[in-house]
Amino acid sequence: DVKVTQSSRYLVKRTGEKVFLECVQDMDHENMFWYRQDPGLGLRLIYFSYDVKMKEKGDIPEGYSVSREKKERFSLILESASTNQTSMYLCASRAPGGSKNIQYFGAGTRLSVL
Amino acid sequence: AQSVTQLGSHVSVSEGALVLLRCNYSSSVPPYLFWYVQYPNQGLQLLLKYTTGATLVKGINGFEAEFKKSETSFHLTKPSAHMSDAAEYFCAVSGAFSYKLIFGSGTRLLVRP
Repeated sequence: DVKVTQSSRYLVKRTGEKVFLECVQDMDHENMFWYRQDPGLGLRLIYFSYDVKMKEKGDIPEGYSVSREKKERFSLILESASTNQTSMYLCASRAPGGSKNIQYFGAGTRLSVL
Repeated sequence: AQSVTQLGSHVSVSEGALVLLRCNYSSSVPPYLFWYVQYPNQGLQLLLKYTTGATLVKGINGFEAEFKKSETSFHLTKPSAHMSDAAEYFCAVSGAFSYKLIFGSGTRLLVRP
């Protein structure tokens, strides 16, 4: 089974802090994703990485950056956290040649910014 | 552009009753369609998918969905609800060979004893 692990289930940070959310997958997937989940809005794509050191902005990249130094790890960075970034963050990965576009999700990190 | 509409943010059924969760999509290319389920405090788990071929798709836990191109719909059904089905359900669409999944806003299913 594919395993996508997010390092923290819950995080509480203060406004202005730099925040790192970490995600690791164990299936040698090339593609990895960061989503944000808010009630009534579903999941919105923040960033996508199609290979090591390669990234592409999603629909809501403002206020976020990402890092992919190794294939298995994809980090989401909030350079200066703000209260409107309080949300559930979900990481996903996808198999190479993913013509069926099945994405596998981690358990999520619920971030509160105070 | 692709989009997904899920009718009803909350659906409540009695245990043993039919479950029907509605999903309509728009897509300018032949779509791939998905239903994901999210149990409390967990990530998303794939329930079923339609890519090509048979339009009636069976998934896990007794769920199925039918792709109706003429109605641009992909409704999720289960003949008899179980308490363990209580969760949030997301419909999603993508184009073939596209990396991007477009999600609906989700439907929370409540199952009454």
